[in-house]
Amino acid sequence: KAGVTQTPRYLIKTRGQQVTLSCSPISGHRSVSWYQQTPGQGLQFLFEYFSETQRNKGNFPGRFSGRQFSNSRSEMNVSTLELGDSALYLCASSLKGQGIYEQYFGPGTRLTVT
Amino acid sequence: LAKTTQPISMDSYEGQEVNITCSHNNIATNDYITWYQQFPSQGPRFIIQGYKTKVTNEVASLFIPADRKSSTLSLPRVSLSDTAVYYCLVGVPISSGSARQLTFGSGTQLTVLP
Repeated sequence: KAGVTQTPRYLIKTRGQQVTLSCSPISGHRSVSWYQQTPGQGLQFLFEYFSETQRNKGNFPGRFSGRQFSNSRSEMNVSTLELGDSALYLCASSLKGQGIYEQYFGPGTRLTVT
Repeated sequence: LAKTTQPISMDSYEGQEVNITCSHNNIATNDYITWYQQFPSQGPRFIIQGYKTKVTNEVASLFIPADRKSSTLSLPRVSLSDTAVYYCLVGVPISSGSARQLTFGSGTQLTVLP
């Protein structure tokens, strides 16, 4: 079974631009979570989607948004990019009924804002 | 959420057994202990989870004393490819209705030397 895939793997953007990242969960997984990882802050939870509904949101500004489609694929969008948004963005999927700690992470999208 | 404390870094040599300890003095009755592994530029990977005593799988063993205020991840005969960051997470793993938000600490950077 294919793992979680994220596209693109690398991205370079300029301050003020916006960006959309994509995540395809493992087949059958309906829960998708997004995390931001930076050297200074570590791994921080952004938001979680289940059945196209946002169930939980971390402490990030409104410039960070996401959505989930009927096929469970998810996208996250960051508008008005800032230098501090440079990070590895990770997506994780899990299966309904599994414990919340059994999440499967993708390889991430490395975003660089210049 | 119970706060966890791990060593920032550890060095080991190939073939040795490595033990990484996590302190979680405020662990609650229903909390489980879960360990994740993260290689550079990859997403974290679930390694092992336990509640008490000892759990073993094909990758590692997890030792949890009776008071559950700490836990030890044991990696037998490490190789260079075990060089990674190891995270200890503590919380309730029940999935139904629970937000799937994982809280990662700073983790332990394990470096395996030849």
